[in-house]
Amino acid sequence: DAKTTQPTSMDCAEGRAANLPCNHSTISGNEYVYWYRQIHSQGPQYIIHGLKNNETNEMASLIITEDRKSSTLILPHATLRDTAVYYCIVRVGLSNFGNEKLTFGTGTRLTIIP
Amino acid sequence: SQTIHQWPATLVQPVGSPLSLECTVEGTSNPNLYWYRQAAGRGLQLLFYSVGIGQISSEVPQNLSASRPQDRQFILSSKKLLLSDSGFYLCAWSLSGREGTQYFGPGTRLTVL
Repeated sequence: DAKTTQPTSMDCAEGRAANLPCNHSTISGNEYVYWYRQIHSQGPQYIIHGLKNNETNEMASLIITEDRKSSTLILPHATLRDTAVYYCIVRVGLSNFGNEKLTFGTGTRLTIIP
Repeated sequence: SQTIHQWPATLVQPVGSPLSLECTVEGTSNPNLYWYRQAAGRGLQLLFYSVGIGQISSEVPQNLSASRPQDRQFILSSKKLLLSDSGFYLCAWSLSGREGTQYFGPGTRLTVL
């Protein structure tokens, strides 16, 4: 699976949009971009994933550049409950038996400021 | 809807004692099941995964073992705990064929003294 690079930490004011970048310059054509977050002392939470088109769900939007070498997770109206470590993960396919691993890096620690 | 349960929530065990952590999933059939460990201040490490009853794959050689006696039950065990086994243990599930989207339980915080 391709390696990802994320900033170590970010701050965002409450109510503003939080934009979390992720670089994955070695991504392959069949690799998806997944985002998870982990609130302190809780298990990780799946947020969103995409291949090449922008995606949106009730939690966030995912913007993937045309060359797919980077992406941005957008939390449109950040709240204090969005304070967490956010992980960008690149992984082969939707189904790839024999390669079940989700590799969590160090992620971005996002702090929402009141 | 699907839910995942883990117990106990916290556990303090002496070195050399046995361990049994249990995870159950409700609301789905034949899920893939996973055990992860997160040491303090570290990332998540996949320990075991299972695609079916009795089918266990180990990612990291260690003194831990896993079993899947029923479709939606996953157990993590050890015969003798080490200090280095301390950490936050997380169980997760995914639909078969959608292994990138995993749903995690609340975790068990294990302290080995």
